[in-house]
Amino acid sequence: DADVTQTPRNRITKTGKRIMLECSQTKGHDRMYWYRQDPGLGLRLIYYSFDVKDINKGEISDGYSVSRQAQAKFSLSLESAIPNQTALYFCATGGTGSYTGELFFGEGSRLTVL
Amino acid sequence: QQPVQSPQAVILREGEDAVINCSSSKALYSVHWYRQKHGEAPVFLMILLKGGEQKGHEKISASFNEKKQQSSLYLTASQLSYSGTYFCGTESCPDSNYQLIWGAGTKLIIKP
Repeated sequence: DADVTQTPRNRITKTGKRIMLECSQTKGHDRMYWYRQDPGLGLRLIYYSFDVKDINKGEISDGYSVSRQAQAKFSLSLESAIPNQTALYFCATGGTGSYTGELFFGEGSRLTVL
Repeated sequence: QQPVQSPQAVILREGEDAVINCSSSKALYSVHWYRQKHGEAPVFLMILLKGGEQKGHEKISASFNEKKQQSSLYLTASQLSYSGTYFCGTESCPDSNYQLIWGAGTKLIIKP
């Protein structure tokens, strides 16, 4: 099994619908991140969390919300999806304590908003 | 400000060398390099910290010139498995909590 698992892997939805993308990890890491990837733009940080009670906005948090249900689970929600939120979304985890900086990514969730 | 990667794309024959550059308009504390194969997640290659430290990973090495605010990734004697898109992620200060700012990527195609 993958260390960082994202569900669903693919989702097509309509404008205005609520969508939740889920991420779970078995690496025991404290740090979890949600990124969005668009062609030609690289990765952009949406939200990040260092523990269950510590959640922070990234550079493009508008239109998104997150929930850290447990150390191992970090969910991203789009309350009312719009077409320009069509993108590939990645969850990533980082180390604990003396963190080396390496991020471990899930396999991605491709979201299409019609 | 997003770091600028160059070139945007490069096509090589197996065994040839490649250099990928990552330049920032801001002073840098660290540069992180990842490779992403088509349809897969990005995979960590290496981190370079302020101080010009050069690190290597098999036949892939990198340098970090903090004065020029840039890093270069060197792929020596490229193999077919090196194909993919390479991304640099940058930090401007040590307490940024790994909020990386990513470049747009360099697509590397290796042909037999």
